[in-house]
Amino acid sequence: DTEVTQTPKHLVMGMTNKKSLKCEQHMGHRAMYWYKQKAKKPPELMFVYSYEKLSINESVPSRFSPECPNSSLLNLHLHALQPEDSALYLCASSHVVRDTTNSPLHFGNGTRLTVT
Amino acid sequence: GNSVTQMEGPVTLSEEAFLTINCTYTATGYPSLFWYVQYPGEGLQLLLKATKADDKGSNKGFEATYRKETTSFHLEKGSVQVSDSAVYFCALSDKAAGNKLTFGGGTRVLVKP
Repeated sequence: DTEVTQTPKHLVMGMTNKKSLKCEQHMGHRAMYWYKQKAKKPPELMFVYSYEKLSINESVPSRFSPECPNSSLLNLHLHALQPEDSALYLCASSHVVRDTTNSPLHFGNGTRLTVT
Repeated sequence: GNSVTQMEGPVTLSEEAFLTINCTYTATGYPSLFWYVQYPGEGLQLLLKATKADDKGSNKGFEATYRKETTSFHLEKGSVQVSDSAVYFCALSDKAAGNKLTFGGGTRVLVKP
């Protein structure tokens, strides 16, 4: 069982809908990540939060809006998405790199998003 | 910048065969190296890691050795099982780059009974 829990597992939404993806971890990690993975491709980094503050935004369109309400939770708010945004969205967590020199990422099982 | 190159798949094997997946990297700093595995319908799981030259990471019968001189981190398993069918990703993280993971393209492995 993964220690990073993502909900929902599957989501179908129209281009005018607003929805949110949720991620939770209880490993004491203070860095949390959102990745997007298209079929047969490696994950692509979207956002990184460090100590609940956004530290990296990989030039992601504003229709994706991340939120980190506390050290255990990470949300991704979705609005006015396009069909090409359909993908597997993965959440991950780790220790902050300055706390340790080696901190592997722990991934959730992802939310499979389909935009119609 | 950092990059990871791994052999393209799919790799199709019979059960109990020997598996090797090549991985080479370029990095500006002194990276940590990882192999992640993704089973169908799941997220990525850390399979093994190595943080310095000549370190050997091992888990579930898989091994990989950090070779600084050849900038490689090849994954091996001596006897694969059907349950090893998955996509394997080689990755590196560089503290200078804020622990961002750089992934290889992934290698799909299919083990037939």
